[in-house]
Amino acid sequence: QSVLTQPPSVSGAPGQRVTISCTGSNSNIGAGYDVNWYQQFPGTAPRLLIYSDDKRPSGVPDRFSGSKSGTSASLAIAGLQAEDEADYYCQSFDNSLVTSKVFGSGTKVTVL
Amino acid sequence: QVQLVQSGAEVKKPGSSVKVSCEASGHILSNGIINWVRQAPGQGLEWMGRTIPILGTLNYAQKFQGRVTINADETTNTVFMELKSLTSADTAVYYCTRETLADDWFDPWGPGTLVIVSS
Repeated sequence: QSVLTQPPSVSGAPGQRVTISCTGSNSNIGAGYDVNWYQQFPGTAPRLLIYSDDKRPSGVPDRFSGSKSGTSASLAIAGLQAEDEADYYCQSFDNSLVTSKVFGSGTKVTVL
Repeated sequence: QVQLVQSGAEVKKPGSSVKVSCEASGHILSNGIINWVRQAPGQGLEWMGRTIPILGTLNYAQKFQGRVTINADETTNTVFMELKSLTSADTAVYYCTRETLADDWFDPWGPGTLVIVSS
């Protein structure tokens, strides 16, 4: 049972915009801790996609964007492309546990 | 360019232990934090713990307290993660990943080490 909840899957046609939610609580996202997002292709390690809620590392296309409000965060992919089909995970910190980083349950993005 | 290189796949018997290594390029241990994250087949990411070599700090997820040990050898820039009393539920890919004292995100990630626990 993940501390951060994500929808198991989202899908969209090429060119569409999709969003992935990451719902937490007052002990993690709601407490103001940063949310980071990772992209993972099958058989490979995750890679950093968004950090500190809404910042993109160099090399990440600007069609990826992050936001946070209250106890939730969101990842948006604008202009969906076939190469975006992957698993996406949110990650934050939870102060109800002893020094614990926490991940979302993960969302599979399918490009129709 | 920071790189993390992990040891190879392991097959272990239930009840035994496994030790996975993560060698960091450069001297990133001097201001870096190495975390361990695992992923069971078809499942999500699970944080296990971390070491902050420069501070001598270790933090473990409650779930793994008493069963996992993380230590760093700064002379070889290598961090080790040992997991004891293995069961089939520990079959997973184990990743090391870096964060820094200033930044709380994970980047980069090692390629992962597959550990299979089977009798």
